Amino acid sequence: GQQVMQIPQYQHVQEGEDFTTYCNSSTTLSNIQWYKQRPGGHPVFLIQLVKSGEVKKQKRLTFQFGEAKKNSSLHITATQTTDVGTYFCAGPEEAGTALIFGKGTTLSVSS
Amino acid sequence: EAQVTQNPRYLITVTGKKLTVTCSQNMNHEYMSWYRQDPGLGLRQIYYSMNVEVTDKGDVPEGYKVSRKEKRNFPLILESPSPNQTSLYFCASARGTVLAKNIQYFGAGTRLSVL
Repeated sequence: GQQVMQIPQYQHVQEGEDFTTYCNSSTTLSNIQWYKQRPGGHPVFLIQLVKSGEVKKQKRLTFQFGEAKKNSSLHITATQTTDVGTYFCAGPEEAGTALIFGKGTTLSVSS
Repeated sequence: EAQVTQNPRYLITVTGKKLTVTCSQNMNHEYMSWYRQDPGLGLRQIYYSMNVEVTDKGDVPEGYKVSRKEKRNFPLILESPSPNQTSLYFCASARGTVLAKNIQYFGAGTRLSVL
């Protein structure tokens, strides 16, 4: 079946270092969404990418959607302790009735 | 304030004792869904509903039931809980019935332990 894969599963960085998580889908996606879950919290929507090759920025976060609309990435520049959490990508399954989530990348940051 | 409310937040129960986790949203969303989250497995969908009286199975529906009698409520029912249902559960809602471009709003979660 349709799958969304994320790497790495875990990443530890020193504060101020950059961080990137990658998301790959087994099928072409109409769009991709990114969510963040803080420790002990619930997933919160960050952004949605729709167009092939789209790049969007939110302060230190840069999101990209691949040209083939099968992969995406989230890059954080100069991480801060507030960036700690698990980042999920999600894409709609082909019938459009469910979102398929990647397993997430858990980011830890030491100061 | 727009929100998805789950209750209870924490629950410890014993094998076989029926329980219900409630979920309510105040955004008039058509779509509602239940997920379970387990370490290393991410978010897996249990059931979803595209509108009142319309429910369907997700990826891991075994051992669970749902109902959607009102638009705002989507309870998750465990008729005979087992220890392998110990997990963190999230309810979510979204506008519309096709998720292609719709954001999901999650509840705060219910941590369930089945002994």
